[in-house]
Amino acid sequence: GEDVEQSLFLSVREGDSSVINCTYTDSSSTYLYWYKQEPGAGLQLLTYIFSNMDMKQDQRLTVLLNKKDKHLSLRIADTQTGDSAIYFCAETFLAGNTPLVFGKGTRLSVIA
Amino acid sequence: SQTIHQWPATLVQPVGSPLSLECTVEGTSNPNLYWYRQAAGRGLQLLFYSVGIGQISSEVPQNLSASRPQDRQFILSSKKLLLSDSGFYLCAWSEGDRTYGYTFGSGTRLTVV
Repeated sequence: GEDVEQSLFLSVREGDSSVINCTYTDSSSTYLYWYKQEPGAGLQLLTYIFSNMDMKQDQRLTVLLNKKDKHLSLRIADTQTGDSAIYFCAETFLAGNTPLVFGKGTRLSVIA
Repeated sequence: SQTIHQWPATLVQPVGSPLSLECTVEGTSNPNLYWYRQAAGRGLQLLFYSVGIGQISSEVPQNLSASRPQDRQFILSSKKLLLSDSGFYLCAWSEGDRTYGYTFGSGTRLTVV
């Protein structure tokens, strides 16, 4: 079955780069997503990548996709205290109406 | 533009009481709708999803139910709450092809006492 795995915690110093990793099992995944959840709030879509892409960059965010290893990463450059949140990786296979599969989330703590 | 509304934001209910959480979407038609639960501030558990009026798929057997009485309205209910129903409930919607992922509501914090 489908599964998405993430490490649970990451701690970085303000100004450093953060790299959040995700692995998935469904090789037929078409779109992969990164969501951010701040305390007490809903999830906010940060970025997504199509499976036919290797990399996508959006300001401080860089997404890397290794389809061979089924590995997705999110790099946040110049990490700020406002980046402290839980980050969820998610995947979908666009046949039928199967829902997104989410990882358990990585809690990023930024130390000033 | 599309918006999603979820209420109430916070709810404290006694064990055995009923529950009704409501979610509505504006600015789109025939959205896919989802209910998730997040326990202890961690992973998301998909509870129900709907691809059309009256079409509900249940992912987890439990004492919760969902209904979609109108195209853009999704309701999560329970006849008798359990302590284990406490958590953060999130509603979300997506276009049929889900290209741009889900848009989530702001969530309801439910505490069963």
